[in-house]
Amino acid sequence: QEQLQESGPGLVKPSQTLSLTCTASGGSISSGTYYWSWIRQPAGKGLEWIGRIHTSGSTNYNPSLKNRVTISIDTSKNQFSLNLSSVTAADTAVYYCARLGLGTRLFDYWGQGSLVTVSS
Amino acid sequence: QSALTQPPSASGSPGQSVTISCTGTSSDVGGYNYVSWYQQHPGKAPKLMIFEVSKRPSGVPDRFSGSKSGNTASLTVSGLQAEDEADYYCSSYAGSNFYVFGTGTKVTVL
Repeated sequence: QEQLQESGPGLVKPSQTLSLTCTASGGSISSGTYYWSWIRQPAGKGLEWIGRIHTSGSTNYNPSLKNRVTISIDTSKNQFSLNLSSVTAADTAVYYCARLGLGTRLFDYWGQGSLVTVSS
Repeated sequence: QSALTQPPSASGSPGQSVTISCTGTSSDVGGYNYVSWYQQHPGKAPKLMIFEVSKRPSGVPDRFSGSKSGNTASLTVSGLQAEDEADYYCSSYAGSNFYVFGTGTKVTVL
């Protein structure tokens, strides 16, 4: 059974870059059957899809964040990462990594979430 | 791309049914049969409950069912139980490798 775990700083200063890593266990991130996604949720609010990456390196991003977001993958470590630049308080949220089915287009496994606060 | 519209809240007594709507457009909900539903308890990660409009993953009780008509999808929880009290989010593929979530509905078991 796939397990995902987010890691990274819980506090980021405004205008800096938010960086998170998701480590997968129980399965190989190199599987071509899945995409690997990032999703965020501000406190008390709904979910927002940030983007996804395939083991091939192909990426797709939410247009609302496209100019600031980069998702990368390291198959040797079974990890994928999120970088979000020029952050503001509006980027304060719980960030989830999740597995996205290639053909089923569903998010079936999620990490526990990582709270990132943007504050000076 | 706007979030899908869900009612903020819904409620029912134990044993009753509650139905949650998820309204989008012909570019997302109405255009694809890739609507999924997620249950989220406080402080926890979302859990997949329904995919491809009406299919249930293994382990999800058959009390949970999904449907779609036009640009609106629905999740029905029958025989409400205390553990069903949670937030529920719909999600839809929106074309061009883009995904959109709903605004979320808090279900209260009275």
